[in-house]
Amino acid sequence: DAKTTQPNSMESNEEEPVHLPCNHSTISGTDYIHWYRQLPSQGPEYVIHGLTSNVNNRMASLAIAEDRKSSTLILHRATLRDAAVYYCILRDYGESNYQLIWGAGTKLIIKP
Amino acid sequence: EAGVAQSPRYKIIEKRQSVAFWCNPISGHATLYWYQQILGQGPKLLIQFQNNGVVDDSQLPKDRFSAERLKGVDSTLKIQPAKLEDSAVYLCASSHPTRYTGELFFGEGSRLTVL
Repeated sequence: DAKTTQPNSMESNEEEPVHLPCNHSTISGTDYIHWYRQLPSQGPEYVIHGLTSNVNNRMASLAIAEDRKSSTLILHRATLRDAAVYYCILRDYGESNYQLIWGAGTKLIIKP
Repeated sequence: EAGVAQSPRYKIIEKRQSVAFWCNPISGHATLYWYQQILGQGPKLLIQFQNNGVVDDSQLPKDRFSAERLKGVDSTLKIQPAKLEDSAVYLCASSHPTRYTGELFFGEGSRLTVL
């Protein structure tokens, strides 16, 4: 299974954009890039996913490098409620059970 | 739409005792997952069900952990006997079985402390 590498933690100021990086140099052609986040004392929640093209939704944007070996989750205007652990995960749709392999994620700290 | 329900939220037991966790997935979600999350780590898949059949239980410690999903709806995860290293949050998640759907829906988790 392809693995991802993320910084352990990042800090950002409230109301500023946040760029969370993820490296996945061994990504395969059938791997989708997924992002989840986990707020304190809660289960993870889905944020966004993509394959090759950049993706936008109401929560965030996902920018995928042309070679697909890295991606960046963009929170356009961080609030205190965005303080969470963010997980970048590859999901292989070529496998029948396409399970997610979770790393330790990036802890995002938002400063007021 | 109701989310994934789990109970109990918290459980404290002595080592060698047994414990059971219950999960009710989102209505219509055929795929159900149990994850173990140790403090400071990402979730680790224990078992995955498709309806009431097991898809993957390769990381389930079968000497002490068991799980079932009768009738393809709610599920129970049991630990017997518990060890100190089983202290963790047990997360249940569900998803629609459509192949290209990205989203897993998680419950709030059941926090287990083994003393």
